[in-house]
Amino acid sequence: GAGVSQSPSNKVTEKGKDVELRCDPISGHTALYWYRQSLGQGLEFLIYFQGNSAPDKSGLPSDRFSAERTGGSVSTLTIQRTQQEDSAVYLCASSLETYYGYTFGSGTRLTVV
Amino acid sequence: GQSLEQPSEVTAVEGAIVQINCTYQTSGFYGLSWYQQHDGGAPTFLSYNALDGLEETGRFSSFLSRSDSYGYLLLQELQMKDSASYFCAVKVNRDDKIIFGKGTRLHILP
Repeated sequence: GAGVSQSPSNKVTEKGKDVELRCDPISGHTALYWYRQSLGQGLEFLIYFQGNSAPDKSGLPSDRFSAERTGGSVSTLTIQRTQQEDSAVYLCASSLETYYGYTFGSGTRLTVV
Repeated sequence: GQSLEQPSEVTAVEGAIVQINCTYQTSGFYGLSWYQQHDGGAPTFLSYNALDGLEETGRFSSFLSRSDSYGYLLLQELQMKDSASYFCAVKVNRDDKIIFGKGTRLHILP
């Protein structure tokens, strides 16, 4: 596609429920990244996928968080048993093999009530 | 650990020049990027410096000194639309993993 597409744009969920966030990167971009941003804060690295290499999961805050990337394209970030502190904007980005900036999607605003 | 320091807020006047500084301490360093984010929007890429020196792109310039672990973003001829948050970000490995600073909120006065 023309840009990085994320869905849903907004998600309200009850504490304890599982949620899935989807990211569709720019066609041809080999790298895909997930970040989260709490209100008025910086971007916190979660996980990235680079080509066929094993993903770097070092930023995932707990084992309730997981992500996969199927066929080197679409990625899904799953949060199990959501907690109120998970409320944030989850941003996905993709880039070409040679870095010259990420292209970010518009994000998914997750609210856990 | 990873540490990027930048001022939390900066205020400047329309038409003026402003510099936003960034110092970093990271496990690896491959380059320094700057991103702009308007309220409610996604971050957008502005610049990338892998080598020392000044890079100019229109009204925006970015500088890097690797020996000082320091860089800055220079915005000239400020416009009201430049009101946004600006993030410095370090590429820390060959796989393009980027660590972001907490951002600098730029306020522009008419």
